[in-house]
Amino acid sequence: DAKTTQPNSMESNEEEPVHLPCNHSTISGTDYIHWYRQLPSQGPEYVIHGLTSNVNNRMASLAIAEDRKSSTLILHRATLRDAAVYYCILSLGRGNQFYFGTGTSLTVIP
Amino acid sequence: GAVVSQHPSWVICKSGTSVKIECRSLDFQATTMFWYRQFPKQSLMLMATSNEGSKATYEQGVEKDKFLINHASLTLSTLTVTSAHPEDSSFYICSARDPAGEGWTNEKLFFGSGTQLSVL
Repeated sequence: DAKTTQPNSMESNEEEPVHLPCNHSTISGTDYIHWYRQLPSQGPEYVIHGLTSNVNNRMASLAIAEDRKSSTLILHRATLRDAAVYYCILSLGRGNQFYFGTGTSLTVIP
Repeated sequence: GAVVSQHPSWVICKSGTSVKIECRSLDFQATTMFWYRQFPKQSLMLMATSNEGSKATYEQGVEKDKFLINHASLTLSTLTVTSAHPEDSSFYICSARDPAGEGWTNEKLFFGSGTQLSVL
């Protein structure tokens, strides 16, 4: 399975943008890039996913490098409720399992 | 989005007993569900893939006789931890694929809220 590398932790001030990086240098052409987040004592929550083009939704934006070896999850205005562990995962798409890496623990400072 | 309900939220049991955890898809049919385990301050570890009407596929190193998975209907998968021991104490989480994901672009997972198992 293709691996992802993320910083263990990051901090952000409230109401400021947050850029969470993810390296996936061994990504294959059919791997989708997924982001999930997990609040304490809860199951993960879907954030966003993409293949090649940048993606936007109501929660976040996903910027994918042209060579697809890295991506960045962008939270445009961090709130205290965004404090969570963010996981970057590669999936082959339909029919494939999701393997979680170590994730990035985001702390939002009031 | 789709809702996955997991029950119970937490359970305490004595060593040697068996515990059953239920995972239901409330408003959609899930042909495939996944079971994860998570130890404190660690990431999720995929245990097995549960397929409706067939045997589950277990990840390497996961004992299939200890972690029994049944997916008898399109809305229910169960994980039974048999003869639980303290080392089985963990946070167990189930998930199901987005039912709208008939195409490649909508392949995402919805997760249950998890079950905290404590074995005394």
